[in-house]
Order: sequence, then structure tokens, then C-alpha cells
Amino acid sequence: DAGVIQSPRHEVTEMGQEVTLRCKPISGHNSLFWYRQTMMRGLELLIYFNNNVPIDDSGMPEDRFSAKMPNASFSTLKIQPSEPRDSAVYFCASSPGTGPYYGYTFGSGTRLTVV
Amino acid sequence: AQKITQTQPGMFVQEKEAVTLDCTYDTSDQSYGLFWYKQPSSGEMIFLIYQGSYDEQNATEGRYSLNFQKARKSANLVISASQLGDSAMYFCAMREGKLTFGKGITLSVRP
Repeated sequence: DAGVIQSPRHEVTEMGQEVTLRCKPISGHNSLFWYRQTMMRGLELLIYFNNNVPIDDSGMPEDRFSAKMPNASFSTLKIQPSEPRDSAVYFCASSPGTGPYYGYTFGSGTRLTVV
Repeated sequence: AQKITQTQPGMFVQEKEAVTLDCTYDTSDQSYGLFWYKQPSSGEMIFLIYQGSYDEQNATEGRYSLNFQKARKSANLVISASQLGDSAMYFCAMREGKLTFGKGITLSVRP
């Protein structure tokens, strides 16, 4: 079991550029989550998918953010255009079920810096 | 309204001693799960322990135990025999539908 795989680990980009973060969940996990972590706001849930369908995107900060899950083994989080305030660590996590008794397995995160 | 509350400032503990990290939660659901995660300075989120709302016994995982007091809505993490490698940020989280995290507590273990 390779765990949740995120890429890239680090991304430095200039303001206004498009950024795409990628995630491969654990095989067989049917729920996928994108979180953002900053010092000021802690861990925030941005969006989550169940069986590849977006269920709750209320945490997506604005229209510059979009997420897709074209199949069970791949998801992307895109920021276009990026801004310095988007600098954060972005985590992807997956879970084998939607009930309250299922935990999440997190990826290693992508540290995004927008200059 | 904040659902997970971790109000302790940075915690310090002497190596080999036990430490309790506090967590209170707020929910009107009967079914929920409580989780603790560890985040070392390297940044990854490591699952430590889980307690279901219907579990009558406190969860234990090696040196970690969860002191679950349902009526008080508290789910404190107890780390026994602290090690230097336990120095990290610790997050309490609750899952009703989605997982909601507290702000975290920084633990420093002194040699």
C-alpha cells in the first residue's frame, strides 16, 4: 500500500500563474478530501468527493479554485490565477467510507509558495 | 461555532513522563468519530488513535490512550512514557460527515 500520493511536494510560482496540485488516493478508498493548512486558519477542508462526485465544495475560497476527480485514482486541485495569499500546505486525504467511524489517510502535502 | 476546541498553550513534558492533551467537541449527532493526529516538524499528518461515539471503552494504541468522557464531550489524548520523538503538533478531530480539526496543540518533550 503506497499510501496517498501527492505531487509536487513543493511548488513555487509567480502571482498570476496557474497551479495544479495532484493526488492519487489509496486504492479502494471511495472518499477524497482536499485540505489547506496555514498558520492563521489551521486545517481547512476545501472540498470532498465521494465516488468521484463532488459532495461539498463550500470550503473552496473563491472561483479561482477548482477541483476535479475524473476517476477513482486521480484528483487535481487547480488555482488560476494564483495569489500570494494562496501560499499554504495543501493536503489530500482519502477514506474507505463516508461514515463517522472511518478515518482519513493523508498524503505528504504540497507546500505552495506564490511570490 | 467551533466544533473542536483545543485551548492549551504549548505543552512541555519531561521525557518518560505522561502527558494529557485536552480536546472538547460540540455535536448534536449521536454517531460520530473522534480522532487524534500527530504532525511532526516534517509536516506529514500521522493518525494516532480513534474513538467511536458508541464505544464504551477508552481506545488505546500502544503508548496512546484516549480518555473519552461522552457526557462532558471531551476526548483527551494521553501519551505515556513520553519520548523525544513525540515533540510535534497534535490535532484532535471529529467526523460526523466530514472530518473537522481543532487548532492543534504543540507538545515539546524535554530530555
